[in-house]
Amino acid sequence: ELKVEQNPLFLSMQEGKNYTIYCNYSTTSDRLYWYRQDPGKSLESLFVLLSNGAVKQEGRLMASLDTKARLSTLHITAAVHDLSATYFCASPYGNKLVFGAGTILRVKS
Amino acid sequence: DGGITQSPKYLFRKEGQNVTLSCEQNLNHDAMYWYRQDPGQGLRLIYYSQIVNDFQKGDIAEGYSVSREKKESFPLTVTSAQKNPTAFYLCASSAGTPSYNEQFFGPGTRLTVL
Repeated sequence: ELKVEQNPLFLSMQEGKNYTIYCNYSTTSDRLYWYRQDPGKSLESLFVLLSNGAVKQEGRLMASLDTKARLSTLHITAAVHDLSATYFCASPYGNKLVFGAGTILRVKS
Repeated sequence: DGGITQSPKYLFRKEGQNVTLSCEQNLNHDAMYWYRQDPGQGLRLIYYSQIVNDFQKGDIAEGYSVSREKKESFPLTVTSAQKNPTAFYLCASSAGTPSYNEQFFGPGTRLTVL
């Protein structure tokens, strides 16, 4: 059974600081998804990482995938308050998508 | 506009009642999914369907039932056997298996037991 582990589970950051969220998964996969969820809302797709070494950037967020290490990272650069949300990574497993527990990010001014 | 709709947005259930949550998509996706999210928790898969007239149990199917009579529709019934149904329910769809296709999510239904 695939396990997807995120850390940290809670992250409180000052505006302007950098930080990285880690996503480890337990079985081989060439694809990894990142989603964002605002409080009380649904999930919004952030990144689809399609292969080993994939790197994608959108604004202050950059995601990468290392399939050999079974690790994906979501790096936040110069955080702003609008990035406050819960971030989920998810890895395919057969016909299912297995989600991590989520990282709650709070950016303080 | 292509997308996924869920209704109702809020639903209140009395003890012992069955309720049905609607999920419709016009993305022409073959696969559809139902997830449950409890406060401060991740997503848990209830049921999924890869094709019309076929569906499989997910990790927490007990107390729930589904049907897939049409490609665009995948309703979820929360039965009285589900003892703790208060949660946020999310429907998703994708063109095919997640190994090759991204999942897109509907806006969700928040179910509360009175």
